[in-house]
Amino acid sequence: DTGVSQDPRHKITKRGQNVTFRCDPISEHNRLYWYRQTLGQGPEFLTYFQNEAQLEKSRLLSDRFSAERPKGSFSTLEIQRTEQGDSAMYLCASSLGVQSNEQFFGPGTRLTVL
Amino acid sequence: DAKTTQPPSMDCAEGRAANLPCNHSTISGNEYVYWYRQIHSQGPQYIIHGLKNNETNEMASLIITEDRKSSTLILPHATLRDTAVYYCIVRSGSARQLTFGSGTQLTVLP
Repeated sequence: DTGVSQDPRHKITKRGQNVTFRCDPISEHNRLYWYRQTLGQGPEFLTYFQNEAQLEKSRLLSDRFSAERPKGSFSTLEIQRTEQGDSAMYLCASSLGVQSNEQFFGPGTRLTVL
Repeated sequence: DAKTTQPPSMDCAEGRAANLPCNHSTISGNEYVYWYRQIHSQGPQYIIHGLKNNETNEMASLIITEDRKSSTLILPHATLRDTAVYYCIVRSGSARQLTFGSGTQLTVLP
């Protein structure tokens, strides 16, 4: 399968713990996006990478959140000191080039903070 | 990016055309209309996009009014697998992210 993959698919953690999610985009895609989706709502943009450079961050991305894409391929999203309000689906998407109109989404990582 | 308004839910009989409306009265001249859908427990999936002209692909047709203030996504022969939340998104050509609203829950009934 050559689509966007995310790992893990589900994560249950206790409040205060740190969690890290991984996203593997489609191999030739240079753009990578993270979104967060809570129940009953559409996805909300968190951050965007072009190759290894993080070019945009939403105000939703608090200081407890950090994202990396060290070699311009896979990306990680870390949440430190998790809170119950962090419970959500975290979606990763990738796209190709400057003029690409289509973002390809992964299946998401569902985080539950107890 | 301009805001969009969609009905929260719609039903459609299997085999019939599903017509999903979207209002985007504040759309600017350089903003495109995109449609994505999200089947339960999956990530969103691109369907189609357009600027001014009507567009058609293997999944759907997009009809944009002449004043560009509204559009309709048409699934010509809906199947049970088309049951999903459909998002209408207005996005400028320079924007990187997608700004999703709450979408329309389409339920295709047997």
